[in-house]
Amino acid sequence: DADVTQTPRNRITKTGKRIMLECSQTKGHDRMYWYRQDPGLGLRLIYYSFDVKDINKGEISDGYSVSRQAQAKFSLSLESAIPNQTALYFCATSDSTGGQPQHFGDGTRLSIL
Amino acid sequence: AQSVAQPEDQVNVAEGNPLTVKCTYSVSGNPYLFWYVQYPNRGLQFLLKYITGDNLVKGSYGFEAEFNKSQTSFHLKKPSALVSDSALYFCAVRVTGTYKYIFGTGTRLKVLA
Repeated sequence: DADVTQTPRNRITKTGKRIMLECSQTKGHDRMYWYRQDPGLGLRLIYYSFDVKDINKGEISDGYSVSRQAQAKFSLSLESAIPNQTALYFCATSDSTGGQPQHFGDGTRLSIL
Repeated sequence: AQSVAQPEDQVNVAEGNPLTVKCTYSVSGNPYLFWYVQYPNRGLQFLLKYITGDNLVKGSYGFEAEFNKSQTSFHLKKPSALVSDSALYFCAVRVTGTYKYIFGTGTRLKVLA
């Protein structure tokens, strides 16, 4: 089984819909991250969480929200999706000693029409 | 502003030849630098990092990176390229004093048989 699992892997939806992307991990890591990847822009940080009670905004948090339901689960929501949120979304984890994001999920490809 | 740049969108190299993927950075203070690789339809995989110490850092799959403070560069290298090294490579830097990581735009490496 994968260390970091993202669901769904692909999603097509319409403008204005609410969408939730889920991430679960078996690494036992405290730190979890949500990134989006756009061609030519690399990865940009949306939100990060260092433990269940700690949620922090990244560089592009507008239009997104997150929930850390447990150490192993970190979900990303788009309350009212818009077409420019079409992207590839990645969840990642790290332990408290390593610092950098160490383990990434395989991504969710989200298309908003 | 702190940043990282990957000046080449794509690098082509023949199998068995040495490869270099370039990265330059701009940070205040001492840089924490990282390389990741992304294979098709997969998340990023951590390759190596430079925090302090020896300027030549060795990582996974035979990759190494050379830190050059005067040139503010952290180029990824491998003495002999394999076709299986073909992938997208990302350089990243940690924003000084935070746990945020800035990723470059990525360089697609194509190793030709």
